[in-house]
Amino acid sequence: DVKVTQSSRYLVKRTGEKVFLECVQDMDHENMFWYRQDPGLGLRLIYFSYDVKMKEKGDIPEGYSVSREKKERFSLILESASTNQTSMYLCASGAVWGGGYEQYFGPGTRLTVT
Amino acid sequence: AQSVAQPEDQVNVAEGNPLTVKCTYSVSGNPYLFWYVQYPNRGLQFLLKYITGDNLVKGSYGFEAEFNKSQTSFHLKKPSALVSDSALYFCAVRAPNTGGFKTIFGAGTRLFVKA
Repeated sequence: DVKVTQSSRYLVKRTGEKVFLECVQDMDHENMFWYRQDPGLGLRLIYFSYDVKMKEKGDIPEGYSVSREKKERFSLILESASTNQTSMYLCASGAVWGGGYEQYFGPGTRLTVT
Repeated sequence: AQSVAQPEDQVNVAEGNPLTVKCTYSVSGNPYLFWYVQYPNRGLQFLLKYITGDNLVKGSYGFEAEFNKSQTSFHLKKPSALVSDSALYFCAVRAPNTGGFKTIFGAGTRLFVKA
């Protein structure tokens, strides 16, 4: 089974702190994604990466950055956390197969910024 | 622009009855369509997908979905609901001309199955 793990299930940070969320997948997938999930809004794509050191902005990249130094690891960075970044963050991975691949999700990190 | 609509925030059904969770989409070209389920305090799990071929797709846990091109719909169905099916369901679409990376998710439909 594909396994996607996230470094924390729950995080509480203060406004202005730098926050690192880490994601690791064990299936050698090329594609990795960071989403945030908010009630009534579904999942919104923050960033994705299709290869090591490659990244593309998603729909809501403002206030976030990412890093992919190794194929299995994709990190999301909040440079200066703000209260409107309080959310559930989901990491996902997927193999390259045209566009028909399914995504595998981690358990999520619930981040609260106070 | 791509979009996905799940018109019902919540669906209530009695155990043993058939269930339907609705999804409509808007995308240029032939879409890739997906259903995911999120159980409490867990990440999303893939249920099923439509890529091409037979319009009726079968997936995990007895779920199936029917692709209807003329109605641009991809409704999720199950003949007999279980209490354990209670969860949050997301429909998703990916257009074939977006490099294969951009997936649009619906807002989600919460399914309650009552014993």
